[in-house]
Amino acid sequence: QVTLKESGPALVKPTQTLTLTCTFSGFSLSTSGMRVSWIRQPPGKALEWLARIDWDDDKFYSTSLKTRLTISKDTSKNQVVLTMTNMEPVDTATYYCARHQYGSGSLMDFWGQGTTVTVSS
Amino acid sequence: QSVLTQPPSVSGAPGQRVTISCTGSSSNIGAGYDVHWYQQLPGTAPKLLIYTNSDRPSGVPDRFSGSKSGTSASLAITGLQAEDEADYYCQSYDSSLSGSVFGGGTKLTVL
Repeated sequence: QVTLKESGPALVKPTQTLTLTCTFSGFSLSTSGMRVSWIRQPPGKALEWLARIDWDDDKFYSTSLKTRLTISKDTSKNQVVLTMTNMEPVDTATYYCARHQYGSGSLMDFWGQGTTVTVSS
Repeated sequence: QSVLTQPPSVSGAPGQRVTISCTGSSSNIGAGYDVHWYQQLPGTAPKLLIYTNSDRPSGVPDRFSGSKSGTSASLAITGLQAEDEADYYCQSYDSSLSGSVFGGGTKLTVL
C-alpha cells in the first residue's frame, strides 16, 4: 500500500526558508524508475508543479522557482525534502508530494494529503 | 497563467454528459507527451482519474473517459452524478520547461 505524508511548519515569516518533508511507504526511491514530485496549490488556485527527484538522484525544478528550490532524498528514511528560500506571502499554499508511476516522468499516481503553509509576519 | 488551458467552469444536469478541454502546444501535448487527468473533491488532495490520455485506474467508473488529438485533450463525463462535482485538472510534460505542467483547472457544477 503506497502512502505519502507531508510535514512542515504551518506558518513561516517572509524571507525565511521553508523546509518540507515527504515521508512515504509502499515503495523505495532506491528502486530504478521511481520518482517523487512536489506540487503546490495556492488557496482557490490551480496546481503548480515545483520539483522532482529520481531514483538516481537526478533533480528537476520549475523554471520560475529554480533559484529558490532544493530537493533531496534520504532513501534510508523513505523521505524526500524540499526547501524553498526567501518565502513570500504569495507562496502561501497547500504543498503536496506525489509518487510517479514506475518509469513515468509525468504520471503521478499517489498523492499525499497535503500540508498548508501560510507566509505571514 | 497555466501552460495548459482549461475552461474555468462547466456545468450539467444529473444524467447529462459534459466535456472538459485541455489545450496545450507543440512543446507538451503536441509533442506527443501523455495527458493525465486528476479529480479534486472539495478540501481533498487530487486523485488520479485518467492516465496516459485514456486509461482509467482501477475503481474509476467508465463514465469517465479521456481522449487526445493534436495539441489538445478532453475529459468526458457521462451520466453526471452529484458526487462528480469537483475540480478537474489536466497535466502533461513540457519539453521546453523540462517538467510537468498543469491546466488551470475546471470546476464542474452538477445542477
